[in-house]
Amino acid sequence: RKEVEQDPGPFNVPEGATVAFNCTYSNSASQSFFWYRQDCRKEPKLLMSVYSSGNEDGRFTAQLNRASQYISLLIRDSKLSDSATYLCVVNRDDKIIFGKGTRLHILP
Amino acid sequence: ETGVTQTPRHLVMGMTNKKSLKCEQHLGHNAMYWYKQSAKKPLELMFVYNFKEQTENNSVPSRFSPECPNSSHLFLHLHTLQPEDSALYLCASSQDRRLAREQFFGPGTRLTVL
Repeated sequence: RKEVEQDPGPFNVPEGATVAFNCTYSNSASQSFFWYRQDCRKEPKLLMSVYSSGNEDGRFTAQLNRASQYISLLIRDSKLSDSATYLCVVNRDDKIIFGKGTRLHILP
Repeated sequence: ETGVTQTPRHLVMGMTNKKSLKCEQHLGHNAMYWYKQSAKKPLELMFVYNFKEQTENNSVPSRFSPECPNSSHLFLHLHTLQPEDSALYLCASSQDRRLAREQFFGPGTRLTVL
């Protein structure tokens, strides 16, 4: 089993819809969690850190469920500019593990 | 110049060549990283330097050799590579090696090994 698994994509979603990404991690000792965004042929950039209590930044909400070992990212009122690949990142000890990413296409 | 820069942006090399990738960060960070991104695979962490000391080497073949002369510069020396080493090589930096730190990535070097 991969240490970090994400929804296989791509997601094709009409503009204005709500999109949910899920990510599961296998090691319960994992300590910190992030969502990164990577545009086509560009480098990854931090979108949000994920906190135990859940956190929101505008249209984006991140949740962490330690008991079930999953992280989620919700995008409300999606925009064309949200089209990108979303990467789940899990840290434990000295390890930084990226998921394969889920590609999102927002359709006009 | 701001952020993390990488040169060259594109590199084509033969299996017998020796080349180097360069990364420079202008953020005052103390930790720097090399990643490999291949098609349809997740980013793979290759090397980590914290305060110029290598703290991690994720079983990377010896044909990849990192060098960190100071906390702002990171090199990846390449020799006798294989075609399967063709990938996007990304450099990143963070304030330090602590887990909760955001990483800032450079634009990457797209490497093709013939």
